[in-house]
Amino acid sequence: NAGVMQNPRHLVRRRGQEARLRCSPMKGHSHVYWYRQLPEEGLKFMVYLQKENIIDESGMPKERFSAEFPKEGPSILRIQQVVRGDSAAYFCASSSDSREDEQFFGPGTRLTVL
Amino acid sequence: GQQVMQIPQYQHVQEGEDFTTYCNSSTTLSNIQWYKQRPGGHPVFLIQLVKSGEVKKQKRLTFQFGEAKKNSSLHITATQTTDVGTYFCARSNYQLIWGAGTKLIIKP
Repeated sequence: NAGVMQNPRHLVRRRGQEARLRCSPMKGHSHVYWYRQLPEEGLKFMVYLQKENIIDESGMPKERFSAEFPKEGPSILRIQQVVRGDSAAYFCASSSDSREDEQFFGPGTRLTVL
Repeated sequence: GQQVMQIPQYQHVQEGEDFTTYCNSSTTLSNIQWYKQRPGGHPVFLIQLVKSGEVKKQKRLTFQFGEAKKNSSLHITATQTTDVGTYFCARSNYQLIWGAGTKLIIKP
């Protein structure tokens, strides 16, 4: 049973470009969470999705950031017109219906904005 | 927001010494989770505590949840180099609200 998959593992973008981060949850998991981590800090919640629905996006900036979890395929976190302050590690986690409180984390995508 | 405060930020120990990190909340927690993150790695779930006064052990790790469910601690006995990393507490309300973490550093 593969764990949570994220790709790419490292992503370099220039200011103004778009970044697309992908997350495939563990098999059988329908809950996906995205977190951002700056160096030497804890993780910050961004968004919580279930299949085709955004449940809570209270931690996600209103502009430039969007997330989706389509019926088929991975969850996507999209950052438009990236700025240097977007440089961070972005972690995806997933959980099952029966154990929503236990989240399994992917390896993360480390985004660097030049 | 209902934050979780975690101290200390860093702890330098000699190999074989003990390590402790503390989490505090101003409000009652329904549960507290602990994670370990190795340098360059991702958070790995260690344990969840839900009961008042709960104490759980995993080999050299001891996790406690306060009687008032407002604080928690993680204690590692006789640290080893494999323990190096950052230990986070987090409260779970479908989303995880994280403490800032305590980095365990083994002195050379």
